[in-house]
Amino acid sequence: GDSVTQMEGPVTLSEEACLTINCTYTATGYPSLFWYVQYPGEGLQLLLKATKADDKGSNKGFEATYRKETTSFHLEKGSVQVSDSAVYFCALSGRGYQKVTFGTGTKLQVIP
Amino acid sequence: GAGVSQSPRYKVAKRGQDVALRCDPISGHVSLFWYQQALGQGPEFLTYFQNEAQLDKSGLPSDRFFAERPEGSVSTLKIQRTQQEDSAVYLCASSLEDRGRGEAFFGQGTRLTVV
Repeated sequence: GDSVTQMEGPVTLSEEACLTINCTYTATGYPSLFWYVQYPGEGLQLLLKATKADDKGSNKGFEATYRKETTSFHLEKGSVQVSDSAVYFCALSGRGYQKVTFGTGTKLQVIP
Repeated sequence: GAGVSQSPRYKVAKRGQDVALRCDPISGHVSLFWYQQALGQGPEFLTYFQNEAQLDKSGLPSDRFFAERPEGSVSTLKIQRTQQEDSAVYLCASSLEDRGRGEAFFGQGTRLTVV
């Protein structure tokens, strides 16, 4: 079945550091790929998505590129802020309706 | 409200007790999902509704779990004879389009603790 593997956390960075959170997936066909973010005390929010190979999703300075050849969708940001501290989930959905398969989440803590 | 609303936010149940968790999706949203999120894990799919029809319940872990959406809006997830392994955050999500296409909006979840 479908699965998502992402790097374990927690990840602790200083403000303005570069961020990469690795994510790889296993799925049949051509899934859509997502990054969700969960800020403390809040619900899951869609951060960005990509629906086909070589698509780049971007939002709030975060980017991720759909790499079919390596089955990866790594999340990157050039300069993190304290307000980016949250748990980040890589996810995918297959054909048909969007039942989403999530990774285990990576906690990011950004310190001033 | 503008978002997906879940109630209660927190629920403590004694083992063996029945519980009911409520989800109010965004008005007009056709698709509704329930997920279970264990501590330190990502959410796992439980069930999917398109309007009032439950099209997929393959993720429900046992026959103690039951979900309904009788009028195609509010949904209730019921857990009978709760067990400690049922302790988790239960998330509801809705999306505007059928077949779950389009962005899914999540509620804040109900944290269930079975003691």
